[in-house]
Amino acid sequence: RKEVEQDPGPFNVPEGATVAFNCTYSNSASQSFFWYRQDCRKEPKLLMSVYSSGNEDGRFTAQLNRASQYISLLIRDSKLSDSATYLCVVNGKAAGNKLTFGGGTRVLVKP
Amino acid sequence: DAGVTQSPTHLIKTRGQHVTLRCSPISGHKSVSWYQQVLGQGPQFIFQYYEKEERGRGNFPDRFSARQFPNYSSELNVNALLLGDSALYLCASSLWTGELFFGEGSRLTVL
Repeated sequence: RKEVEQDPGPFNVPEGATVAFNCTYSNSASQSFFWYRQDCRKEPKLLMSVYSSGNEDGRFTAQLNRASQYISLLIRDSKLSDSATYLCVVNGKAAGNKLTFGGGTRVLVKP
Repeated sequence: DAGVTQSPTHLIKTRGQHVTLRCSPISGHKSVSWYQQVLGQGPQFIFQYYEKEERGRGNFPDRFSARQFPNYSSELNVNALLLGDSALYLCASSLWTGELFFGEGSRLTVL
């Protein structure tokens, strides 16, 4: 079983719609969680950290469910510019930055 | 401020050759991490260096090595290249923990 698993998609989303997808992780001792965004042939960039209480940043909402070991990302009012691959990232260490990336979920927003 | 810079951006090697990739972190960041991203997959952790010492190593063969210099820049070396080493090699800088800032990567093709 992979340490971090994601549905590769693609999720084809009409502009203005809401899309949500999950990521599961295998290490119950994982300490911190993130969503990164990667555009085609570009480097990953941090979208948001994921906190136990859930957090929201504009149109983006992230949730963490430690009991079921998954995190989720919801995008509201999708824009064409939201088209990208969304990488789920888990840090299993108490210190240091050994991040484990999922394979990514591809989202395509269409007019 | 300059972001993370990597060189070269693209390179082509043949099987059995050696390659050196270079990375300069963001000013003030003392940690450099290296990731390998094969097409269609998420980045895989190779190494983390902090204050010139190796602080983490991923599941890569001994053909992969790295070092960090007193100015916190870093080199990733890969010996005896295989076709499967073809990938985007990403360098990321950070504080000891926290957000990773990625460079644009070095795209290696092994023929």
